[in-house]
Amino acid sequence: GDSVTQMEGPVTLSEEAFLTINCTYTATGYPSLFWYVQYPGEGLQLLLKATKADDKGSNKGFEATYRKETTSFHLEKGSVQVSDSAVYFCALSAANSKLTFGKGITLSVRP
Amino acid sequence: EAGVVQSPRYKIIEKKQPVAFWCNPISGHNTLYWYRQNLGQGPELLIRYENEEAVDDSQLPKDRFSAERLKGVDSTLKIQPAELGDSAVYLCASSLSRLGVGELFFGEGSRLTVL
Repeated sequence: GDSVTQMEGPVTLSEEAFLTINCTYTATGYPSLFWYVQYPGEGLQLLLKATKADDKGSNKGFEATYRKETTSFHLEKGSVQVSDSAVYFCALSAANSKLTFGKGITLSVRP
Repeated sequence: EAGVVQSPRYKIIEKKQPVAFWCNPISGHNTLYWYRQNLGQGPELLIRYENEEAVDDSQLPKDRFSAERLKGVDSTLKIQPAELGDSAVYLCASSLSRLGVGELFFGEGSRLTVL
């Protein structure tokens, strides 16, 4: 079945450091890929998405490129801020219209 | 515009007791989802509604879980009787179908603790 694998966490970075959070997937067909974020005390919210191979999703300085050849959708940001501290979830939606999430990873950014 | 509203935010019950969660989706969103999120895990779909119709309830444990969305707006998820393993955060989400699958708007969740 469809699945999403995220790198193990948590991740702790200093402010202005470069961020990469790995995400790989297994799915039939051509899924859409997403990153959701959950800030402390808030609900999950969509951060960015990509719907086909080689698409790049971007938002709030975060980027992720849909790589079909490596079945990956890694999240990157060039310079993280304390306000980026949150839990990040990679997710996919395949032909059955079901949204499947990874386990999530906690990012803590220290000043 | 108001987001997805869930209640209660927290609930503590003893095992074998019943519990119910309520969700009011964003106005005009015809698709509603209930997810369960266990500690340290990603959300897992329990049931999806298109208007009043449950179009995907394959992951709903029907022996003890039930859900309804009678008028195609708000929804209730019930557990009866609750078991220790039901302790989790229950998330409600909604979307406009025409936006495509995946663009979900989530509520803050209802955290259930079963003692």
